[in-house]
Amino acid sequence: AQKVTQAQTEISVVEKEDVTLDCVYETRDTTYYLFWYKQPPSGELVFLIRRNSFDEQNEISGRYSWNFQKSTSSFNFTITASQVVDSAVYFCALSEASDSWGKFQFGAGTQVVVTP
Amino acid sequence: NAGVTQTPKFRVLKTGQSMTLLCAQDMNHEYMYWYRQDPGMGLRLIHYSVGEGTTAKGEVPDGYNVSRLKKQNFLLGLESAAPSQTSVYFCASSLGTLSNQPQHFGDGTRLSIL
Repeated sequence: AQKVTQAQTEISVVEKEDVTLDCVYETRDTTYYLFWYKQPPSGELVFLIRRNSFDEQNEISGRYSWNFQKSTSSFNFTITASQVVDSAVYFCALSEASDSWGKFQFGAGTQVVVTP
Repeated sequence: NAGVTQTPKFRVLKTGQSMTLLCAQDMNHEYMYWYRQDPGMGLRLIHYSVGEGTTAKGEVPDGYNVSRLKKQNFLLGLESAAPSQTSVYFCASSLGTLSNQPQHFGDGTRLSIL
């Protein structure tokens, strides 16, 4: 069963627009961890953020912000004032504390296309 | 900083050929993982290792074998390549011990099976 759902396959925006990427997860664990990764056109995977299930504080890092809501099992990611360099595939991932080996469940990814 | 290094970066094989993908990490990480990335499916775990000399099956292990003879290296083998194994392969490593550790990825190996 899919544990991480990224329903948006592709989002296209014009530069300076805001874009929000949805991530919905499913787990029975009370302790778990959520991650976001960026995969630019060059192909590498870049770690962006980790959030644990006990910390529902939203986080802002420059133009990036994350909204974690346990009530809706969502961990959404917003890029404010998008730039062409934000064009990439973004992956959400879940790691459950019951899994001692730190395995990730990845979503299918959301392609963000930012045009000038 | 090298981090996680994968070799080769590209490879074309004929059906039935065999090959080995090498992953090397210089971060003294305990855990290592092999994924494959296919369009619309995200990353799927093939095999993983939680320490030197140990390996385990992931979500899609069929057709692949792995070995971790040294802590820093994790090898992925295809004994008899099939077109369905055409994919981009990523290796990752993490500090281990806790499931909250981020995984650090290599740049990927693009493999085509004809």
